[in-house]
Amino acid sequence: AQSVTQLDSHVSVSEGTPVLLRCNYSSSYSPSLFWYVQHPNKGLQLLLKYTSAATLVKGINGFEAEFKKSETSFHLTKPSAHMSDAAEYFCVVKTGFQKLVFGTGTRLLVSP
Amino acid sequence: DTAVSQTPKYLVTQMGNDKSIKCEQNLGHDTMYWYKQDSKKFLKIMFSYNNKELIINETVPNRFSPKSPDKAHLNLHINSLELGDSAVYFCASSQDRSQETQYFGPGTRLLVL
Repeated sequence: AQSVTQLDSHVSVSEGTPVLLRCNYSSSYSPSLFWYVQHPNKGLQLLLKYTSAATLVKGINGFEAEFKKSETSFHLTKPSAHMSDAAEYFCVVKTGFQKLVFGTGTRLLVSP
Repeated sequence: DTAVSQTPKYLVTQMGNDKSIKCEQNLGHDTMYWYKQDSKKFLKIMFSYNNKELIINETVPNRFSPKSPDKAHLNLHINSLELGDSAVYFCASSQDRSQETQYFGPGTRLLVL
């Protein structure tokens, strides 16, 4: 069955430093993968998605993710964190039954 | 002109009561979903409707009953509320059932006392 594992429950960075949020996936075939962001007391918003096209995917707000089949990873990165990036981030895989399976989330904390 | 809206935003109620949460999308999408997010932020799908037809029905107690009067609305009715039902419930929609991109509502925070 398809699943995703987010390796860190919390990540703390300083404003202006790089962001790395790690996600590993498990899938018996080429998966569709997504990153969603949830700001406090808000709904979820799609950051980016991978659907077997280019392995480096660019999303909104300067985020990008690279699909690495050999490592079964889909890590989310951003070169320079901004205070407004503080939020919960979810790595998501689409299953063969047309369902989205969410990871447990990584809380990104950004300090001044 | 909110894309996916939910009412109410907050819901506090006693155990044993029956309550409903409403969801509406003005995106012209065919498919709508209900998700439950627990206190640990874990998000799991409950139901999905495509053009008013139920297409996903996860292992959810029979006390939960979704209703889709038209493809722009998907309501969630909960009977005999229990403490464990306390969570944030999110409605979402997508263009069609292929689910490449889903648009989420702001959530309904349900607290059962």
